[in-house]
Amino acid sequence: KQEVTQIPAALSVPEGENLVLNCSFTDSAIYNLQWFRQDPGKGLTSLLLIQSSQREQTSGRLNASLDKSSGRSTLYIAASQPGDSATYLCAAEVSGYALNFGKGTSLLVTP
Amino acid sequence: DVKVTQSSRYLVKRTGEKVFLECVQDMDHENMFWYRQDPGLGLRLIYFSYDVKMKEKGDIPEGYSVSREKKERFSLILESASTNQTSMYLCASSFGRGSTGELFFGEGSRLTVL
Repeated sequence: KQEVTQIPAALSVPEGENLVLNCSFTDSAIYNLQWFRQDPGKGLTSLLLIQSSQREQTSGRLNASLDKSSGRSTLYIAASQPGDSATYLCAAEVSGYALNFGKGTSLLVTP
Repeated sequence: DVKVTQSSRYLVKRTGEKVFLECVQDMDHENMFWYRQDPGLGLRLIYFSYDVKMKEKGDIPEGYSVSREKKERFSLILESASTNQTSMYLCASSFGRGSTGELFFGEGSRLTVL
């Protein structure tokens, strides 16, 4: 079974810093990899989806990369803001409809 | 914008009660999913459906059933609620066949079983 790991589990940074969240997966034969944001007590919001044939995707201050050979994806957040504080989850799809989630990185951006 | 609406944000039920969780999406998505999210365990797939009247078991289907009579609506049913089903339940939908694709989630339904 695909194992998805996110390290660190929690991260605190001052406002304005650029930061990287890490996601690793054990099976390199993935369909795609998604990054989500979750605010406390709420559902997940899709941030970026990278297809297996792509290396990266960008949306505003967010950039996600995918390296299937090493089993890694990173989410880069530029110029972090307090409003970025949330839990960030990655999920890897290894076959149709089988999406395996990591347990998330809880991010706190302090003013 | 895609909207996935879960009928109840908070529910409190008693052991043995039958519980219905309703989910409606407004983007004509083929795929709909029910997950539960628990601290330390992350998100786990209960059931999914890739078409009307079709359903497939996920990783933890025991104690649950689902119904999809219309494309926009996917219901999760707990036939006889138990305390270990206390959890956050998340519905999601996506477009496309053969894979999960980009998932759109509802706000979640927090169920407490006493």
